[in-house]
Amino acid sequence: KNEVEQSPQNLTAQEGEFITINCSYSVGISALHWLQQHPGGGIVSLFMLSSGKKKHGRLIATINIQEKHSSLHITASHPRDSAVYICAVRSLSSGGGADGLTFGKGTHLIIQP
Amino acid sequence: EAQVTQNPRYLITVTGKKLTVTCSQNMNHEYMSWYRQDPGLGLRQIYYSMNVEVTDKGDVPEGYKVSRKEKRNFPLILESPSPNQTSLYFCASSLYPASGGYSYNEQFFGPGTRLTVL
Repeated sequence: KNEVEQSPQNLTAQEGEFITINCSYSVGISALHWLQQHPGGGIVSLFMLSSGKKKHGRLIATINIQEKHSSLHITASHPRDSAVYICAVRSLSSGGGADGLTFGKGTHLIIQP
Repeated sequence: EAQVTQNPRYLITVTGKKLTVTCSQNMNHEYMSWYRQDPGLGLRQIYYSMNVEVTDKGDVPEGYKVSRKEKRNFPLILESPSPNQTSLYFCASSLYPASGGYSYNEQFFGPGTRLTVL
């Protein structure tokens, strides 16, 4: 079973700061997801990646398959970025089928004005 | 509008009273799953389904049942709820990942169902 660790657990920063959230996992994966959960509880998918780097607006996600590590960066952070950010991985399946997702416990981010 | 819907959004019930939480998606997705979210434990997968009539257990399936008779619907059934099933439940769907490949797809989440079992 894959172990997914996120750091930091909690992060408070000032508006405009560059934010980095890290995710490490223990077993080879076929894909990694970054999710955002707002205070109201809804979850949206930010990125899904299996290699390299993806960018969407002020959000950048990178993954290093060899090191089993991914980072989520937020540039020019804003109070509306305040949310819980969750990393989830889909482990490699020997049968090539669809295994379930394993989640990190999340990083609670607060951006102060 | 592409979406995953769950009903009910909030439910308070008593121990032992059977209940069903419905989940429906309008994106023709093959893959659907149920998760529960608990403080300090994060999200954990209960069951998932790769297509109609194909379901499998996730990490915490005890006390739950699912069925997938139609592609769009994936109900979660609690035959005899207990207080330890008090939680926030999410349904999600995505296109089926290509077998043996890396073409996994983004997950779309429902709004969540907050269940309290007294």
